Amino acid sequence: AAGVIQSPRHLIKEKRETATLKCYPIPRHDTVYWYQQGPGQDPQFLISFYEKMQSDKGSIPDRFSAQQFSDYHSELNMSSLELGDSALYFCASSLAPGTQYFGPGTRLTVL
Amino acid sequence: QKEVEQNSGPLSVPEGAIASLNCTYSDRGSQSFFWYRQYSGKSPELIMFIYSNGDKEDGRFTAQLNKASQYVSLLIRDSQPSDSATYLCAANNAGNMLTFGGGTRLMVKP
Repeated sequence: AAGVIQSPRHLIKEKRETATLKCYPIPRHDTVYWYQQGPGQDPQFLISFYEKMQSDKGSIPDRFSAQQFSDYHSELNMSSLELGDSALYFCASSLAPGTQYFGPGTRLTVL
Repeated sequence: QKEVEQNSGPLSVPEGAIASLNCTYSDRGSQSFFWYRQYSGKSPELIMFIYSNGDKEDGRFTAQLNKASQYVSLLIRDSQPSDSATYLCAANNAGNMLTFGGGTRLMVKP
């Protein structure tokens, strides 16, 4: 069965640079969620989209923005990167309001 | 206080034993509860979900929910070394965002 696809899988950036993470949900899933997981921590909800509209907002910094496109894929844009942004970023998808299935994650390292 | 709490462990059980993982939550508005398994550096993998009081069984896994006590548990029967991982308990609200507990690290010793 098709799963959530995330790209890139690994990303290395310098401080103050920008990064864009992409998420392709499971086919026919209409809701996308973004989570951030720091080392030794549990995933923290950032933001979600349902039918291309923002549906919930969590602990997402103002430096980050996200959107969902007409094909339901989503992008998380991160600007003015800080060392503390180094983390695993997971995207999950669901057929709203159902069970969330997680992608493999993007490991972001900020140097 | 976290909205969802778990004992961080590690919980160590011998191979073949029953592993019992516990979780409490504070938001009575939470409607559904999920158990995810996460291997180090990998993504959370759904094990089970439960939304009604009582037990729900799936193979070697049984989830239990007690809304009056705000308590969720996961039992793993016949534990295998491959079950060694961090188990994340999560609750969702009306908006369907998940709030995770800190996770319990399970170690199954051969």
